Amino acid sequence: AQKITQTQPGMFVQEKEAVTLDCTYDTSDPSYGLFWYKQPSSGEMIFLIYQGSYDQQNATEGRYSLNFQKARKSANLVISASQLGDSAMYFCAMREGSGETSGSRLTFGEGTQLTVNP
Amino acid sequence: NAGVTQTPKFRVLKTGQSMTLLCAQDMNHEYMYWYRQDPGMGLRLIHYSVGEGTTAKGEVPDGYNVSRLKKQNFLLGLESAAPSQTSVYFCASSYASPAGGSTQYFGPGTRLTVL
Repeated sequence: AQKITQTQPGMFVQEKEAVTLDCTYDTSDPSYGLFWYKQPSSGEMIFLIYQGSYDQQNATEGRYSLNFQKARKSANLVISASQLGDSAMYFCAMREGSGETSGSRLTFGEGTQLTVNP
Repeated sequence: NAGVTQTPKFRVLKTGQSMTLLCAQDMNHEYMYWYRQDPGMGLRLIHYSVGEGTTAKGEVPDGYNVSRLKKQNFLLGLESAAPSQTSVYFCASSYASPAGGSTQYFGPGTRLTVL
């Protein structure tokens, strides 16, 4: 079974509007973490936001927020006020277990290509 | 600080040739990782290291070897390259975090083509 599922291969949004990128995960470990990375066409991987499984509140970082619904095993990324520079591939990733046991290694989804239209 | 650097940026190999990819980080991170990214896919973990002198297998380790002789360097070796190893290779590093929440910082990637 896929550990990380991103069901939207491509998404389109108008500039200045908000967009939600979906991510569902599968784990039986009570301790895990969820990450979102951005990969522009230049190819580098840029960290956006992190949510721990025990965090009580949804994570936020500037225009990025993570809609964490633990019971549904979803960790959707919300980008508010989209900008042209947000056009990129977005990856959801999960770390299972503690750093000591797993070395904090990540499992990635297949990504969502976001296009922001002017 | 340079962060995470990778050498080389591009390489073309013939089937059966060998090569080593070098990753260096100047953030004093304990953990280091090698991933590969195939077209249209997410990253998959090849090998990782939780400290100098230690390495472990990831999701797709076959055909690769690694070494971490110094804390700041993590080498990925291909002993006999195959066309299936054509990919973009990313190195990453992170602090050791017992809770596992530390962010991984990625290098710019190495684009490898095996003919």
